[in-house]
Amino acid sequence: GENVEQHPSTLSVQEGDSAVIKCTYSDSASNYFPWYKQELGKRPQLIIDIRSNVGEKKDQRIAVTLNKTAKHFSLHITETQPEDSAVYFCAASFTGGGNKLTFGTGTQLKVEL
Amino acid sequence: DGGITQSPKYLFRKEGQNVTLSCEQNLNHDAMYWYRQDPGQGLRLIYYSQIVNDFQKGDIAEGYSVSREKKESFPLTVTSAQKNPTAFYLCASSWAGAGTDTQYFGPGTRLTVL
Repeated sequence: GENVEQHPSTLSVQEGDSAVIKCTYSDSASNYFPWYKQELGKRPQLIIDIRSNVGEKKDQRIAVTLNKTAKHFSLHITETQPEDSAVYFCAASFTGGGNKLTFGTGTQLKVEL
Repeated sequence: DGGITQSPKYLFRKEGQNVTLSCEQNLNHDAMYWYRQDPGQGLRLIYYSQIVNDFQKGDIAEGYSVSREKKESFPLTVTSAQKNPTAFYLCASSWAGAGTDTQYFGPGTRLTVL
């Protein structure tokens, strides 16, 4: 089955700096890669996703890049703010797989003032 | 997100007891999912259902059971066979289509075994 690895497990940045979180996946059939943000005790919320027919997607300060050949994808957050502090999860699924998501183990992002 | 509800928010169980977690959605989604989240870990799939009266095991189904009698509801029972049930349980729903549909999560139920 699919395996998703996520790095780093913790990330501390200064306010205004950029943050990058990386994930690798094992199943070349995977073609959908969402990113979720989870604040303490709350539900995960989708912040951005990308499908395998594009290499990059951007939404204001957030962007995701996908390298299908290397089987990795990354989340980029620019101009970080304290409210960006949360746990971020990457995930992967594939068409015909029952829409099952395989999640990474999460990255605790802390944005310091 | 607001269309998915879970109850209760907190649940305490004695060892040997079965408990049922509720998940309801009014988004008219076809598919529903149950995940378990442990501290410092990602979400792991317990069961999922793409249509009423049908469901499939996920990666960690042992000790759990589900039913899908209505499109809106997907309750999860944690049985006494689940050896380490203390965790945060999250329900999700999505359109069931090409297999790349966004999943939306409920607020979760935190289960503690006493």
